[in-house]
Amino acid sequence: DTEVTQTPKHLVMGMTNKKSLKCEQHMGHRAMYWYKQKAKKPPELMFVYSYEKLSINESVPSRFSPECPNSSLLNLHLHALQPEDSALYLCASSRGTRSEGSSYEQYFGPGTRLTVT
Amino acid sequence: AQSVAQPEDQVNVAEGNPLTVKCTYSVSGNPYLFWYVQYPNRGLQFLLKYITGDNLVKGSYGFEAEFNKSQTSFHLKKPSALVSDSALYFCAVREASGTYKYIFGTGTRLKVLA
Repeated sequence: DTEVTQTPKHLVMGMTNKKSLKCEQHMGHRAMYWYKQKAKKPPELMFVYSYEKLSINESVPSRFSPECPNSSLLNLHLHALQPEDSALYLCASSRGTRSEGSSYEQYFGPGTRLTVT
Repeated sequence: AQSVAQPEDQVNVAEGNPLTVKCTYSVSGNPYLFWYVQYPNRGLQFLLKYITGDNLVKGSYGFEAEFNKSQTSFHLKKPSALVSDSALYFCAVREASGTYKYIFGTGTRLKVLA
């Protein structure tokens, strides 16, 4: 199974709302990623969790809060977003660096299309 | 600093003709190189990778890529294009001994014309 699932597929939220994006994988991957993608642009890295610990935070505003409850799940908590945060949010996973022979290709979920009104 | 360049915003090719999508990279050490494809409103899908060994790597859906160390390039190729290959293609690189940070190119839109 090489599937990464993301829920919801679409989300519309006001600037005062609190919502969460969810991501799940069952490939035994120990690295999980959040990316933000604007239309026709490459994905921009936001956060990386490695072995359930936050490894990279690309200076993302605090209105985005990641959480990794276990090795299969990744959440992104959203609060007080701005209209410019509207984008496709992609989750990805890969093997961790402690895996033998690992070459680290990423597997992406289908994304959550977020609209902030 | 790592970087990836995809010099063409769009590539047009007739169905049945060979296609090439270009990618050049810059890393301080040995690179891990990847190609991904993205269809509209979908996530990125892994196509192929170069880690070490043979410079010509084969991937999914008949795609292949050639690693050229002297030219720091990793061009994506397919001998015979299909209309269904029309999509957005991203080249990505990460340092072999680095962190989990992947650098993506700006993307190339491939249009295969019937």
